[in-house]
Amino acid sequence: AQRVTQPEKLLSVFKGAPVELKCNYSYSGSPELFWYVQYSRQRLQLLLRHISRESIKGFTADLNKGETSFHLKKPFAQEEDSAMYYCALPPQGGATNKLIFGTGTLLAVQP
Amino acid sequence: GAVVSQHPSRVICKSGTSVKIECRSLDFQATTMFWYRQFPKKSLMLMATSNEGSKATYEQGVEKDKFLINHASLTLSTLTVTSAHPEDSSFYICSAREGGRTEAFFGQGTRLTVV
Repeated sequence: AQRVTQPEKLLSVFKGAPVELKCNYSYSGSPELFWYVQYSRQRLQLLLRHISRESIKGFTADLNKGETSFHLKKPFAQEEDSAMYYCALPPQGGATNKLIFGTGTLLAVQP
Repeated sequence: GAVVSQHPSRVICKSGTSVKIECRSLDFQATTMFWYRQFPKKSLMLMATSNEGSKATYEQGVEKDKFLINHASLTLSTLTVTSAHPEDSSFYICSAREGGRTEAFFGQGTRLTVV
């Protein structure tokens, strides 16, 4: 069955340091993967999706099929990046395209 | 961008009463809406998926008679927590998706506290 794993509950870095939020998945075939972000007291919002191959707020994520990973990276963390980050993908063969979320990683960027 | 509005943002109710939460898509037609429950320091748990005009599909372990979902129009879905108990206290989040698109947009969530 499809699964999304975010092994780190908390990631604490200093401002200006590189960030890598890990996401591993299990899926047969080519999944469509997403990263969602939830800033303090705000709603969950889409950060980026792998098919668009774009960089949002300095974040990028590359789908590595060999390692079944979709890690989120940013070369220089900013304090405003502090938030909860969720990796997500649709279920295998799901007609409704609902999303399955990982458990999330709290990124804390220290000044 | 697409906006999903959830109401109320907070609600406190007495044990045994029912509470209705609304989820509206403000600038697009939401053919599919999803209801999630978020436990403290845990991920979002999908409760059910509803398509406009048809019955909701509930995830395993979610009581459909307790969590009534209605998706009567392309812009509105409601979740009614019936005969609420303290263990139903949680953060409920809806998301909506327009037909033919995979991106879903989220509401701001509703904090339900049952006393």
